[in-house]
Parts: sequence; structure tokens; C-alpha cells
Amino acid sequence: DTGVSQNPRHKITKRGQNVTFRCDPISEHNRLYWYRQTLGQGPEFLTYFQNEAQLEKSRLLSDRFSAERPKGSFSTLEIQRTEQGDSAMYLCASSLETGRNEQFFGPGTRLTVL
Amino acid sequence: TQLLKQSPQFLSIQEGENLTVYCNSSSVFSSLQWYRQEPGEGPVLLVTVVTGGEVKKLKRLTFQFGDARKDSSLHITAAQTGDTGLYLCAGMGGSNYKLTFGKGTLLTVNP
Repeated sequence: DTGVSQNPRHKITKRGQNVTFRCDPISEHNRLYWYRQTLGQGPEFLTYFQNEAQLEKSRLLSDRFSAERPKGSFSTLEIQRTEQGDSAMYLCASSLETGRNEQFFGPGTRLTVL
Repeated sequence: TQLLKQSPQFLSIQEGENLTVYCNSSSVFSSLQWYRQEPGEGPVLLVTVVTGGEVKKLKRLTFQFGDARKDSSLHITAAQTGDTGLYLCAGMGGSNYKLTFGKGTLLTVNP
């Protein structure tokens, strides 16, 4: 299967701890996105990469959040000093720059902050 | 801010019934995508509509994009229990990369 993959699928952590999630996009896709989804809501845009460049960060992404895509392939999303309000599903998507820019999502990482 | 409102929020029907769910906005979108999401999983892309007035069919699912590209509908004919899930619409605005999602319609098809 060459779809978008995310690891880990689930993460439980204590408040104040740091966590890091990984996303591997579809191999030929040069765009990569992070979204966050809370219960009863649709996904909300967090940030977007074109190749290795991070081109936009949402205001939802506080200073405790950092995302990287060092070689334009996989991406990591780190949350420092986690808070209970960070509990959510973190979704990664990828797309081609050309055409309809259809975004294909991974299975997500479910974060629970105790 | 571009907002998408989906209705109804919840829908419970019997197998074999038809249904329509709606996605409305006051903003114009360059394209609109429909996704289906199951619990604990990521959204799965069903269709992308681009042209105002466009109608796309995917087996028992019919998608329509409004003439003004501000709204869309999804019609399911003869629903099956496997159609159960959260149906999300997402619009692409002028940025050409950021999707704005509605809150979704949670569909339950009972046997």
C-alpha cells in the first residue's frame, strides 16, 4: 500500500511531556499538510509544506508546536509541554502541486493528554 | 473566513432508503471535495467537483456542485449498512492548498 502513513497511531502522554508524530506521504507528492480534528468537528488546517519549505502556519499552531520536513519527504510534528487541550486526532495529508490538488489523508495519530 | 455548513448533522435511516446531505457556504470555492470518515481513521476522498453545476456519479452516490460554486449535495440511493460513516465536505478557496472542512454529517444506516 503506497498511501499516506502516520506513526504512532495512538499516543497517550502526561501533561507537560513532549511528543513527536511522523508522517510519510505518498511518494511522488510534493505537498504535505497537517490538520487537527477534535470530537464532533471537521479537520482544521495547521500547516503546509511544499517540498521542504513550510509555507503557512495556522494561528492554531502555537509556539509549542513545530513541524519539519527536512528532505521534502517525511514530516514530523512535535508538541512541547503538552496540555489537555492538545488531545485530538492529528491528520497528515499529501497532494501533488498540479491538477486538482486532491489531498489524500493518512489514518491519523490519536493523542490523549492526561 | 470561509465557513462550510453541513446538514443534517445526524441522519439515521433504514437500509434501502434514499438520502441527501447538504454542504452550504456564503463563499465561492475553486473546488469542493467530499470525504467519508470511519471512527478512528482518516478521511477517505470520494470525489472532487470543480465546475459550477457539475454532477458526478460514483455507483449509488451522486454529487452535485452548485452553479455558483458555493454549495454542494450528496445523494445516496438505496443506502447500505456499509455507507455508515461521517461524510465531510471540504472547500478549496483562493489559496489552492488549504481545505476548509464542514463539521460533517454522521450517517447511520440500520439493517
